[in-house]
Amino acid sequence: DTAVSQTPKYLVTQMGNDKSIKCEQNLGHDTMYWYKQDSKKFLKIMFSYNNKELIINETVPNRFSPKSPDKAHLNLHINSLELGDSAVYFCASSQEGYTDTQYFGPGTRLTVL
Amino acid sequence: EDQVTQSPEALRLQEGESSSLNCSYTVSGLRGLFWYRQDPGKGPEFLFTLYSAGEEKEKERLKATLTKKESFLHITAPKPEDSATYLCAVHTGGFKTIFGAGTRLFVKA
Repeated sequence: DTAVSQTPKYLVTQMGNDKSIKCEQNLGHDTMYWYKQDSKKFLKIMFSYNNKELIINETVPNRFSPKSPDKAHLNLHINSLELGDSAVYFCASSQEGYTDTQYFGPGTRLTVL
Repeated sequence: EDQVTQSPEALRLQEGESSSLNCSYTVSGLRGLFWYRQDPGKGPEFLFTLYSAGEEKEKERLKATLTKKESFLHITAPKPEDSATYLCAVHTGGFKTIFGAGTRLFVKA
């Protein structure tokens, strides 16, 4: 069974479009995260949700909006895509907060043309 | 400013040649230090958690240690399947997770 899953795995789109990436975890965890990994492989946290409440929101553009319909899902919606948004986006989850082990999904490679 | 630095950026070893990866950190309140392994095209996979200076954890050929300023990931007699990027992450009192840039390990048979 896949613990943390993401769809799609690859996403190619044009500048200015709006797109969403879905994430689901079947671990029963309380906290979910979105990370961005750039071309230099640096992982940077974007958002964190605990029990459907946004805990931290790093300095990401407001074109990015996390949406959590329930504890097992945290989707990432991106408006007006820009070239610089091209990266690999990872979803993760942990049992409790930040001091807990995070389990990562397989990633979504976003390419903006 | 909170910072996590990993060295070296890349490390090439012969099979059986032991070595260490370094993760140095400057953070305002360490809540935990994590080591992950990342294979190409995949998400990071958890290896170890260290919470206090002096703590050590082992798993197969890997051993992680922690001091007040840095952590080491020791690899004993590595095999080609150990080739991957190893990431260090620090959880801080500010409820942030800061990742290092990683060390790419290549083990040649």
